[in-house]
Amino acid sequence: GQNIDQPTEMTATEGAIVQINCTYQTSGFNGLFWYQQHAGEAPTFLSYNVLDGLEEKGRFSSFLSRSKGYSYLLLKELQMKDSASYLCAVRGGLNSGGYQKVTFGTGTKLQVIP
Amino acid sequence: NAGVTQTPKFRVLKTGQSMTLLCAQDMNHEYMYWYRQDPGMGLRLIHYSVGEGTTAKGEVPDGYNVSRLKKQNFLLGLESAAPSQTSVYFCASSSRLAESTDTQYFGPGTRLTVL
Repeated sequence: GQNIDQPTEMTATEGAIVQINCTYQTSGFNGLFWYQQHAGEAPTFLSYNVLDGLEEKGRFSSFLSRSKGYSYLLLKELQMKDSASYLCAVRGGLNSGGYQKVTFGTGTKLQVIP
Repeated sequence: NAGVTQTPKFRVLKTGQSMTLLCAQDMNHEYMYWYRQDPGMGLRLIHYSVGEGTTAKGEVPDGYNVSRLKKQNFLLGLESAAPSQTSVYFCASSSRLAESTDTQYFGPGTRLTVL
């Protein structure tokens, strides 16, 4: 099975840097996703890591360590619009039809304050 | 492209009533999914489909049925609604051709209340 842990809530100041951690235990691993979800809206894709290391995409970066079952999402130069929930999701294991199941964490609600 | 659309956006049902949620995607994606999202529970997979005419159970399938008669549509049915099915339902799709990423594209959600 899959078990994903991330903090429930975080608060950070506009212009600052925040790191959202995600740890996982899985029966199989084939990639980790980060999604952003604003209140009342659908999740949208932010990043994908399948190999160890840091992936940078503008103000957002995502890091993965497969040996430690650990990832983080780094948000730089925080803006008020970054207030949202951030979902960690792990892809792994093989189900019928070749589909690899993606399991979502419960999400971290980030509040950016002035 | 509209992406992933869901119908309806909101619905209130009485216990025991039935309804069907419709999901449509215009990206020619092979995979489609139905999730429910509840406070503190995250997104939980109800059913999924790896192609037209095929469906499979996810994490929480009880009380729901699905059909994928056309590649672009994925229907979620509640035969006899219960208050425990009050939730926000999200449909998503992804491309098998992008198996290295399997990025899921989500619809706007359906907010269902069962009284």
